[in-house]
Amino acid sequence: ETGVTQTPRHLVMGMTNKKSLKCEQHLGHNAMYWYKQSAKKPLELMFVYNFKEQTENNSVPSRFSPECPNSSHLFLHLHTLQPEDSALYLCASSQAASGRASYNEQFFGPGTRLTVL
Amino acid sequence: QQQVKQSPQSLIVQKGGISIINCAYENTAFDYFPWYQQFPGKGPALLIAIRPDVSEKKEGRFTISFNKSAKQFSLHIMDSQPGDSATYFCAASKGSWGKLQFGAGTQVVVTP
Repeated sequence: ETGVTQTPRHLVMGMTNKKSLKCEQHLGHNAMYWYKQSAKKPLELMFVYNFKEQTENNSVPSRFSPECPNSSHLFLHLHTLQPEDSALYLCASSQAASGRASYNEQFFGPGTRLTVL
Repeated sequence: QQQVKQSPQSLIVQKGGISIINCAYENTAFDYFPWYQQFPGKGPALLIAIRPDVSEKKEGRFTISFNKSAKQFSLHIMDSQPGDSATYFCAASKGSWGKLQFGAGTQVVVTP
């Protein structure tokens, strides 16, 4: 595997389900990100992890719970989602220097297409 | 409030033509302006980026033009090819650790 991989690629879940999205980066980066991509809207930054520590939470509802066990893996745990949460969820990674994420050159995974019924 | 405004929302161009996408920003502290290309089923990929110390940057058929006084920058795709059909996003950030503020995207379709 190379680059940034995400699983599953597609997910359909009911509002009462609990599911998790997985991201893995094979680039040796130290910073990882979750973005939400909705049609015709700018990418929305959700969370940032830098050297496994969460450094950014962009007022994301608590029904989204991130986890970063190490610099190569990032999870997004989902529970009690709403239909408006249906979107493409993108993971990205970048180099981090001096303990801060370098947002500039980010490498994105292919995303997980989430549908909430 | 959207910090980067992108237009048009969609664009159809004939093979061999020029595709032009425009972005405008408000924050004069922004100093890094990348463009991302996204194909269906794929994540965005960095295409080309510019910093405000130059007014133009060219990489192959892709050129960024930057107008600091107007707070605008644009992507030109010369000799557009069907393989260029994708969604293009502009973005802006401040410094190496500033958040990337993305535009809403432009869907480009290049017809044969």
